[in-house]
Amino acid sequence: GAVVSQHPSWVICKSGTSVKIECRSLDFQATTMFWYRQFPKQSLMLMATSNEGSKATYEQGVEKDKFLINHASLTLSTLTVTSAHPEDSSFYICSARMGRPSYNEQFFGPGTRLTVL
Amino acid sequence: AQSVAQPEDQVNVAEGNPLTVKCTYSVSGNPYLFWYVQYPNRGLQFLLKYITGDNLVKGSYGFEAEFNKSQTSFHLKKPSALVSDSALYFCAASYNNNDMRFGAGTRLTVKP
Repeated sequence: GAVVSQHPSWVICKSGTSVKIECRSLDFQATTMFWYRQFPKQSLMLMATSNEGSKATYEQGVEKDKFLINHASLTLSTLTVTSAHPEDSSFYICSARMGRPSYNEQFFGPGTRLTVL
Repeated sequence: AQSVAQPEDQVNVAEGNPLTVKCTYSVSGNPYLFWYVQYPNRGLQFLLKYITGDNLVKGSYGFEAEFNKSQTSFHLKKPSALVSDSALYFCAASYNNNDMRFGAGTRLTVKP
């Protein structure tokens, strides 16, 4: 149980285009989803926290107009990288947290490798 | 500030030897503590967690961790390392329903 999927697993796009990444909780309802970014050989950096039906809360330094997050249902959150540039190339990981008390445990997706040419 | 520290960037052990990956956390209430493992180009896989109770927590793949409140540590251990244990390990802490904070990660290399 508690499986989180991400799609696509990898994507290559041209500079200036927009890319959408989906994060789904497959067997539970996730009231809260998180988006992380990970650079090579570095730890996870929290980008934003999204709660179903409300606007995402972005971490300091993360451009909300560039990284659009939508959490339209209890099982789906999307991250759209708008007007992507090479510096946006990274590994993006989502996680989901159950609504019931779960000691804040997060279940992680497999990640999406974004390469912007 | 609430934080998690992994003092070692790299840990090297020989196969069959015991391994320890260190983690300390800042003192601020009673954190929930977690260990995750990450293989190349993959997401994080849950290993174990400490919420309350017995200080020695047993997790997946033969790993265990000991919560030490006096030393504010939560070191990950395994009695006998396998080559397949080579990966990136992250310690994490969650405080009072806030977001999870991750350590910088420790790369474990187990040599045959």
